[in-house]
Amino acid sequence: GNSVTQMEGPVTLSEEAFLTINCTYTATGYPSLFWYVQYPGEGLQLLLKATKADDKGSNKGFEATYRKETTSFHLEKGSVQVSDSAVYFCALRNSSYKLIFGSGTRLLVRP
Amino acid sequence: KAGVTQTPRYLIKTRGQQVTLSCSPISGHRSVSWYQQTPGQGLQFLFEYFSETQRNKGNFPGRFSGRQFSNSRSEMNVSTLELGDSALYLCASSLEAITPNSPLHFGNGTRLTVT
Repeated sequence: GNSVTQMEGPVTLSEEAFLTINCTYTATGYPSLFWYVQYPGEGLQLLLKATKADDKGSNKGFEATYRKETTSFHLEKGSVQVSDSAVYFCALRNSSYKLIFGSGTRLLVRP
Repeated sequence: KAGVTQTPRYLIKTRGQQVTLSCSPISGHRSVSWYQQTPGQGLQFLFEYFSETQRNKGNFPGRFSGRQFSNSRSEMNVSTLELGDSALYLCASSLEAITPNSPLHFGNGTRLTVT
């Protein structure tokens, strides 16, 4: 079946550190891949997406590359800020049209 | 453009009662999906509606139902509430349901607590 696996959190970093949150997937066909972010008390916000192999999604300094050979979509940011503290969800969407989410990774950035 | 609006934000109900949650999608969006978020199970898909028709359904019991109106607004209903139904219920809309490339835009959710 289709599934998404994310690294367990929490991930604790100091401000301006480099961030990587690992995400791997299992899917039939050629899914679209997404990263969503959830701030406390809020719903999910789309952070970035990639719809085919080797696509790179980017937004607000975050980026992720769709790697079909390793079935991965790792999220990276060169310099995190305190305001980036949130829960990050990797997700895929294939022909069934529903989003399949990973379990989420909590990021805590300390000043 | 206004985002996805969910009402109410918070609900407290008693076991055995029923509840109706409401979702207004982004203007022009025709597809509405519902997700349940709990600490134990994470984010799970409930159902998706497009043009007033349910197109997809997740693995939830029949106590969970929904509908979509002609103006794309959607409601979901949970009958005979159980303690395990306590969750954040998220509604999401997208422009169309034809392609999986369309990102979903989520509302802030309705926090349901069953006592």
